[in-house]
Amino acid sequence: DAMVIQNPRYQVTQFGKPVTLSCSQTLNHNVMYWYQQKSSQAPKLLFHYYDKDFNNEADTPDNFQSRRPNTSFCFLDIRSPGLGDAAMYLCATSRDPAGGLGEQFFGPGTRLTVL
Amino acid sequence: GEDVEQSLFLSVREGDSSVINCTYTDSSSTYLYWYKQEPGAGLQLLTYIFSNMDMKQDQRLTVLLNKKDKHLSLRIADTQTGDSAIYFCAESKRRAGNMLTFGGGTRLMVKP
Repeated sequence: DAMVIQNPRYQVTQFGKPVTLSCSQTLNHNVMYWYQQKSSQAPKLLFHYYDKDFNNEADTPDNFQSRRPNTSFCFLDIRSPGLGDAAMYLCATSRDPAGGLGEQFFGPGTRLTVL
Repeated sequence: GEDVEQSLFLSVREGDSSVINCTYTDSSSTYLYWYKQEPGAGLQLLTYIFSNMDMKQDQRLTVLLNKKDKHLSLRIADTQTGDSAIYFCAESKRRAGNMLTFGGGTRLMVKP
């Protein structure tokens, strides 16, 4: 089945130790998104890639970076995780949203713990 | 205030109907969505409605849109324990590249 896969599902890192979260998709969608979701809150968009074009949200900290080496894969790099970065990180994909329906398909998420 | 608002919590008995409400502020919304999130999982799209529609029905789900009041609701008929989850409404706006803006989520608890 076509899907959005995130690895690992659970990640533990130490304060200040860089960490990379991975997302892959078999849907061949143009757009890939990274969201941060803290407990009992709505998902907050960090950035998205439209094909190779990177779009950062204005309030996303510089500590968060992303790479998209090809259509299928997208990575979230947290350069120096702080305790406040502990959250669920959700990856999502969509076809060209400018065409109308911006339906997004979500992965299961990676829960990040910072010690 | 927030762009999209929802009540935090709803509790119903199994077999009853559930109605989850959402209000939004921007009348230029293009599509409005309902997503379901089960514990420890990602978001699953349940249904959506185009902004020029008033109602959409899909099996046990009924979406009502009141554009004048900027109010969206999701009715789940014959609610089951498997419906227990957090439900997010979201909107997209063409002028914002159809990015999603989510509400804070409503936690639905279904009691047997």
